Amino acid sequence: DTAVSQTPKYLVTQMGNDKSIKCEQNLGHDTMYWYKQDSKKFLKIMFSYNNKELIINETVPNRFSPKSPDKAHLNLHINSLELGDSAVYFCASSQTLGGASGNTIYFGEGSWLTVV
Amino acid sequence: AQKVTQAQTEISVVEKEDVTLDCVYETRDTTYYLFWYKQPPSGELVFLIRRNSFDEQNEISGRYSWNFQKSTSSFNFTITASQVVDSAVYFCALRDDNYGQNFVFGPGTRLSVLP
Repeated sequence: DTAVSQTPKYLVTQMGNDKSIKCEQNLGHDTMYWYKQDSKKFLKIMFSYNNKELIINETVPNRFSPKSPDKAHLNLHINSLELGDSAVYFCASSQTLGGASGNTIYFGEGSWLTVV
Repeated sequence: AQKVTQAQTEISVVEKEDVTLDCVYETRDTTYYLFWYKQPPSGELVFLIRRNSFDEQNEISGRYSWNFQKSTSSFNFTITASQVVDSAVYFCALRDDNYGQNFVFGPGTRLSVLP
């Protein structure tokens, strides 16, 4: 069973389109994240939700909007896609307190977004 | 502010050599967690180890070992008798309580193990 799963894995789309990436975790964690990895492999946080509440919102264009319908899901919607949005987007989750896996972040397999 | 530095951008070794990947961190918090992740060519991010700030014991797991030294704010990672399958980008990461649930990653070190 995949702990953090995100879909689609690959997405090629034209500039100006709107697209969504879905993420689900079955680890029972209370916190979920979106990270962006650029072509130089830098990993930068975009958003973080704790129990469906937004707690981290980095300097990200308004075209990016996260939605957390429940604590096991965190979707990323991107409007008016631009060439510079091409990157790998990683969903992740962690449990804030306690447990053997507490305070450890676990990642999905990544979604490769290419804007042409 | 939180910061993680991995000064080595790329390292190449020949199979069976030992290699150490450096990680230096900055935090004002007294309670924090340090991590290493591996990103093989297939792209996924694989958790390797977590260390909390109260536990300075070094750890060994098979060919992998980690050296945590608070005095120098370093958390270095050594691979003994490297193998081609160790070729990957390795990330060091830090989480403290000053910035909520944020995990800050270093820029990564690309390790190439040549046959």
